[in-house]
Amino acid sequence: AQSVTQPDIHITVSEGASLELRCNYSYGATPYLFWYVQSPGQGLQLLLKYFSGDTLVQGIKGFEAEFKRSQSSFNLRKPSVHWSDAAEYFCAVVTGANNLFFGTGTRLTVIP
Amino acid sequence: EAGVAQSPRYKIIEKRQSVAFWCNPISGHATLYWYQQILGQGPKLLIQFQNNGVVDDSQLPKDRFSAERLKGVDSTLKIQPAKLEDSAVYLCASRIQGGTDTQYFGPGTRLTVL
Repeated sequence: AQSVTQPDIHITVSEGASLELRCNYSYGATPYLFWYVQSPGQGLQLLLKYFSGDTLVQGIKGFEAEFKRSQSSFNLRKPSVHWSDAAEYFCAVVTGANNLFFGTGTRLTVIP
Repeated sequence: EAGVAQSPRYKIIEKRQSVAFWCNPISGHATLYWYQQILGQGPKLLIQFQNNGVVDDSQLPKDRFSAERLKGVDSTLKIQPAKLEDSAVYLCASRIQGGTDTQYFGPGTRLTVL
């Protein structure tokens, strides 16, 4: 069965520092992968998605993610974090039933 | 384009009471989802509709939860009777069709069961 693991529950970075949020998936075929962000009291907003093709995917707000089949990973990165990036980040995979299965999330804190 | 609308935004009830949540998806979106997000966890799918038909309700606790989408547009999720463990945020999402189209999420309804 498909699954997604986000090993980091909480990450703290300084404003202006680089960021990498980890996501590992388990899926038999080529996965369809997503990163969503959830700000306090808000719904989930799509940052980026990977279906096929170029393994480096660009998203909104300066985020990018790289699909690495050999490592079963789809890590999210940003070269310079802004205070407004503080939020909860979720990795998700499309299941065989064409639904989304979400990881448990990583909470990002940005310190000035 | 208007996003997914949900109401109410917050609800506090006592256990064994009933509660209903409403969702209005993006216009033209055939597929609608209800998710439950317990604090500290990722959203978990409860039910998926395609137009007014149920596609997947395997994770819906049918002894207490029910959902409908009578005219293929708005949807209502009901809990009767509520338990303490139902405290969560209930998210509605929609997308144009099925497959891998992007899901768009509403702001959610935060339910507290006392």
